Amino acid sequence: DGGITQSPKYLFRKEGQNVTLSCEQNLNHDAMYWYRQDPGQGLRLIYYSQIVNDFQKGDIAEGYSVSREKKESFPLTVTSAQKNPTAFYLCASRGPNQPQHFGDGTRLSIL
Amino acid sequence: QKEVEQDPGPLSVPEGAIVSLNCTYSNSAFQYFMWYRQYSRKGPELLMYTYSSGNKEDGRFTAQVDKSSKYISLFIRDSQPSDSATYLCAMSDGDSNYQLIWGAGTKLIIKP
Repeated sequence: DGGITQSPKYLFRKEGQNVTLSCEQNLNHDAMYWYRQDPGQGLRLIYYSQIVNDFQKGDIAEGYSVSREKKESFPLTVTSAQKNPTAFYLCASRGPNQPQHFGDGTRLSIL
Repeated sequence: QKEVEQDPGPLSVPEGAIVSLNCTYSNSAFQYFMWYRQYSRKGPELLMYTYSSGNKEDGRFTAQVDKSSKYISLFIRDSQPSDSATYLCAMSDGDSNYQLIWGAGTKLIIKP
């Protein structure tokens, strides 16, 4: 069953702690994206990757980091430098000339 | 001014009504237009994907694009309580690595 899997569904971060959100896809898509969604706002792009071992900053990359060592995996680390990390995080992937498809998100909260 | 404007609602209509959801945009370079449906605590699900101007129909859903007015619409016929969700519009110029510009989403409530 092809799709995008995000884990965990809920995550709690302590002050000064880095946390990593997982995103795995088995759709054989080259492009992958991370978005942040806050209540009443549209999706804001954090990072995106068009190909393995390459990624670019989106509109709100400060306080976040990513890696793309494998085609199917694009983990997002929320660092302690991100002062307002509470949000719903969405991962997406896209095939050639196709729209983006999304996972079911991770909700991050501060303890 | 935002690149894409979308009324956040909520929009509340009775079951069976025709629903009209809209977005306006300012960038005339946008060519690809999408509507996503998002249920609470879930990721957005692609509903409609259109290129350039015109209409596209899929079951109870019709997407319209009017590039001359920079206006897109999603119509839902015979609305059902299960259609209650947030509807997000998104668009792209096809360049810029296919990055999407998003509306804020309209919350739709279908009353039984």
